[in-house]
Amino acid sequence: DSGVTQTPKHLITATGQRVTLRCSPRSGDLSVYWYQQSLDQGLQFLIQYYNGEERAKGNILERFSAQQFPDLHSELNLSSLELGDSALYFCASSVGSNSYNEQFFGPGTRLTVL
Amino acid sequence: AQKITQTQPGMFVQEKEAVTLDCTYDTSDPSYGLFWYKQPSSGEMIFLIYQGSYDQQNATEGRYSLNFQKARKSANLVISASQLGDSAMYFCAMREVGGRRALTFGSGTRLQVQP
Repeated sequence: DSGVTQTPKHLITATGQRVTLRCSPRSGDLSVYWYQQSLDQGLQFLIQYYNGEERAKGNILERFSAQQFPDLHSELNLSSLELGDSALYFCASSVGSNSYNEQFFGPGTRLTVL
Repeated sequence: AQKITQTQPGMFVQEKEAVTLDCTYDTSDPSYGLFWYKQPSSGEMIFLIYQGSYDQQNATEGRYSLNFQKARKSANLVISASQLGDSAMYFCAMREVGGRRALTFGSGTRLQVQP
């Protein structure tokens, strides 16, 4: 158990809908990262927050947004869902944002868009 | 731009033998970190080992060691005394200090340990 929690574990929804994925980092970790793992794109970085502020953006679509709250949990919002958004979404946390800080991953949320 | 290459889509190894999973990387940043993660069929990503670009010695964590050859830009994972539970996908990843600090992952290697 990495100490990072993600809910829900599974999510099935329809095209055009909006969903929210939630992540609680390990106790004491200030950085939260979101990644998407799909069969065709592999593991891709979406966005990073550090202590409530957006720190870096990766290949995140405009239909997607995220935020980190004062209690450091984070939410990833996916809207106008398409079939291609079906993927495993990971949240990871680290104590800081330096290159030597290993990231600990949550169990993931498997999103299926029908 | 950084890039991680894992050239072995799949590998087989006999139980109790050692296996090396290859990883090469490309970066212009002199300061970076290299990571290996294991993803079993259940889906979670498990951190295995870390190597910093300025570390003089190869990292080791139990049965895992990282064969770091900086001039060749390679960071191969060595698993000694393979166990059936080692069957999983293995991902090599890198973070740069100067740029975006998220992980960039390779395409992974599926390791199957045979009894």
